[in-house]
Amino acid sequence: RKEVEQDPGPFNVPEGATVAFNCTYSNSASQSFFWYRQDCRKEPKLLMSVYSSGNEDGRFTAQLNRASQYISLLIRDSKLSDSATYLCVVILTGANNLFFGTGTRLTVIP
Amino acid sequence: NAGVTQTPKFQVLKTGQSMTLQCAQDMNHNSMYWYRQDPGMGLRLIYYSASEGTTDKGEVPNGYNVSRLNKREFSLRLESAAPSQTSVYFCATREFSYNEQFFGPGTRLTVL
Repeated sequence: RKEVEQDPGPFNVPEGATVAFNCTYSNSASQSFFWYRQDCRKEPKLLMSVYSSGNEDGRFTAQLNRASQYISLLIRDSKLSDSATYLCVVILTGANNLFFGTGTRLTVIP
Repeated sequence: NAGVTQTPKFQVLKTGQSMTLQCAQDMNHNSMYWYRQDPGMGLRLIYYSASEGTTDKGEVPNGYNVSRLNKREFSLRLESAAPSQTSVYFCATREFSYNEQFFGPGTRLTVL
C-alpha cells in the first residue's frame, strides 16, 4: 500500500470556483504534512505546511484530520495562475525521507 | 544565492552508456536527496544523504550509485543506462529542523 494516495484528477474548474483536494496517508506515525505545487516541466515548490489546527494563506486553506488520516487543500476564487499539479507530502516521525503523493492536476479555465 | 543547481538539464544516452548527474547546493543544508519522477508514479526516492559522509538507499536504488562529495555536492551515477531509466531526475536538499525540501530544476534524461 502506498504511503500517500491522491486523486490524480484532472480537475477542470472555471475561474472563480472553489476546489478541494484530499490526500490520505497510511501510517499513523506520520508527523508533518505539506502541500507542494509543481508547474509543468518545473520542480516542486512548497505551497504551505499543514498544521493540526488547520491554516490559511490567502485563498488557500489546508486542514489535517488525524483520526481519518487525511489532509485537504481548499482553493477559493480560483485564478488561471493556480493551474498546476498539487502534491501532498508526509514525513514520518523521526524519519529523514519524505513521502510524496502522485499529485492532483488542476486546470482553471477562463 | 543559486539554491540547488543541477547539471546537465537535458541528456540523451544510448543503452549501456554511463553518466553522472551533478547536484550542488549553497543553502548549507545537511540532507540531500535524489528523486526520479515518471508520469503517474509521482516522485520516487532513489538515494539520500542525511549528512556529509553518509548515504542510504531509497525506494528505487537499483541501477544507481551516489557520492556525497562534500556538504555541497551530491552526485548520481548511472553505470549502464537502460531505457527504464528514462525519467526526470530531481535533486533536493533539506535542513532537518525546518522540514521543507528545496528542489533543483531537474535533469531530463532519455535512454534510447
